[in-house]
Amino acid sequence: QKEVEQDPGPLSVPEGAIVSLNCTYSNSAFQYFMWYRQYSRKGPELLMYTYSSGNKEDGRFTAQVDKSSKYISLFIRDSQPSDSATYLCAMGVGGSYIPTFGRGTSLIVHP
Amino acid sequence: DSGVTQTPKHLITATGQRVTLRCSPRSGDLSVYWYQQSLDQGLQFLIQYYNGEERAKGNILERFSAQQFPDLHSELNLSSLELGDSALYFCASSATSGYNEQFFGPGTRLTVL
Repeated sequence: QKEVEQDPGPLSVPEGAIVSLNCTYSNSAFQYFMWYRQYSRKGPELLMYTYSSGNKEDGRFTAQVDKSSKYISLFIRDSQPSDSATYLCAMGVGGSYIPTFGRGTSLIVHP
Repeated sequence: DSGVTQTPKHLITATGQRVTLRCSPRSGDLSVYWYQQSLDQGLQFLIQYYNGEERAKGNILERFSAQQFPDLHSELNLSSLELGDSALYFCASSATSGYNEQFFGPGTRLTVL
């Protein structure tokens, strides 16, 4: 079993939909959690970073962490075609600055 | 544009060969990370350098090596290449060795035939 599990998709939604992207993990020592967005033929870019359970909001994006269930989510409201990309979750142990990445979920938002 | 540059963009080579991938970090960033991304394994951390010194090692094969030069650019050397080494190789940089956002370059796509 991989430490971080993420459904590769693809997930196809219409423009304006609310998107939910998820990861589960097995290592209870993970303390920080991140979401990266990767456009085709580009490197990943950091979208959200959180250190605690609960919700963190940034514009149309909300990151949610449930440490008791070892489950994290990224919600995208009012999705746009420009949100079409691969979304990677990443997480790490406190004191280690090298995160473990999920395989990424491919999201397609069609007009 | 993250400010991290990688060359070349694409590399096609044969099994058994050796290649060198180059990375220039963002201006002022001291830390460089190398990652391998393949369809089946996802993004895997290989190695980190901080100000010229190796700081952390991940799933890096013995056939692979890296170094960071005094001007802070880094090179990843891949030798005795196998078909399974075909992947995207990313370099990322951050300001320090502690937690700071890692900025990723555009990657080098390596194809081993």
